[in-house]
Amino acid sequence: AQSVTQPDIHITVSEGASLELRCNYSYGATPYLFWYVQSPGQGLQLLLKYFSGDTLVQGIKGFEAEFKRSQSSFTQRKPSVHWSDAAEYFCATHPGNQGGKLIFGQGTELSVKP
Amino acid sequence: NAGVTQTPKFQVLKTGQSMTLQCAQDMNHEYMSWYRQDPGMGLRLIHYSVGAGITDQGEVPNGYNVSRSTTEDFPLRLLSAAPSQTSVYFCASSSAGRETQYFGPGTRLLVL
Repeated sequence: AQSVTQPDIHITVSEGASLELRCNYSYGATPYLFWYVQSPGQGLQLLLKYFSGDTLVQGIKGFEAEFKRSQSSFTQRKPSVHWSDAAEYFCATHPGNQGGKLIFGQGTELSVKP
Repeated sequence: NAGVTQTPKFQVLKTGQSMTLQCAQDMNHEYMSWYRQDPGMGLRLIHYSVGAGITDQGEVPNGYNVSRSTTEDFPLRLLSAAPSQTSVYFCASSSAGRETQYFGPGTRLLVL
């Protein structure tokens, strides 16, 4: 069955430091991949998505992500973290032929030290 | 546009009670979905719909019913609430199956 794994449950980085959030997926064909962010008590906001084409995608809030088919990974990065980036981040995938269904990873909680 | 709206924001139920979580979207999206979020488990799909009159089960459908009589609304019914249904529930919609899903603000449900 298709699945998404986020190896890091919790990450702490200092403000201004770089950030890397890992995501691995299992799917035979080219997946549709997403990164969402959830601030405490809020809904989910899309940061970026990958459907096809260029393997480096740009998102909002200075985030970017790299798709690597050979590693079944979709890694999100940000060069300099701001305190307001503290939130929970979810990687998700969408089976290409099944509408309206997202499969989520367990989430990575980001804490930012001043 | 209001986007995806959910009511209520918070609800406390006793075991065995029933209730309906409301979800509406004003973007004319065909696809709508319900997820539940539990600590350490991410979001899991309960039910989804690909258009008015068409629904299907997701990963965790037991104890929940849905129907879709209009494009705008997709209510989720708990027939007989159980403590295991204590969770945060999110509704989402998208214009097509492969497109970005937009999420509502969530309903926090506590079943005692």
